[in-house]
Amino acid sequence: DQQVKQNSPSLSVQEGRISILNCDYTNSMFDYFLWYKKYPAEGPTFLISISSIKDKNEDGRFTVFLNKSAKHLSLHIVPSQPGDSAVYFCAARYGGYNKLIFGAGTRLAVHP
Amino acid sequence: GAVVSQHPSWVICKSGTSVKIECRSLDFQATTMFWYRQFPKQSLMLMATSNEGSKATYEQGVEKDKFLINHASLTLSTLTVTSAHPEDSSFYICSAGDDTDTQYFGPGTRLTVL
Repeated sequence: DQQVKQNSPSLSVQEGRISILNCDYTNSMFDYFLWYKKYPAEGPTFLISISSIKDKNEDGRFTVFLNKSAKHLSLHIVPSQPGDSAVYFCAARYGGYNKLIFGAGTRLAVHP
Repeated sequence: GAVVSQHPSWVICKSGTSVKIECRSLDFQATTMFWYRQFPKQSLMLMATSNEGSKATYEQGVEKDKFLINHASLTLSTLTVTSAHPEDSSFYICSAGDDTDTQYFGPGTRLTVL
């Protein structure tokens, strides 16, 4: 039972354009959502997060949007750069607990 | 930012042997550490949560006698894969939680069991 889903395994974007990575979840008890970036053979690196009481959080080129009614969040990267090429994981945290549930990841390729 | 290290970064062992992986938080104290495994092209799956000085909490389907976790101090947790078999070959990643509940991940350990 996948509680956090990233339905697109891969995404290819041209440098300078916007990258939009999507994530859906099923459990309304999640209170915090996070995006991690991962390179091969490395651990995930925290990118940006959003509390369930907010609908948008922005940090430089990265913006996360949360639509609670649709149980959907998205990560926007603009402008995309070749160095953004990596696997992006969406993760959700249960309210009151520190446990993270990860999606399967989306591999982003930003080409010149 | 907070740094978490893992050792070794990769290990190859024979079937039936035990392998110990260390996870250290280098510049902060972690009351909680987490162990994940990742199969190729799949998500990170939480194996267990360990709190300093107490027994680890294992996720459903994870054998606690096979994956021994020790969290002896606020900066060190170890995962021992006992009697490893080829199906245990995977990428094992730890994370450490700080006092804001943010998790910082280690670089991972690639285990190959022959």
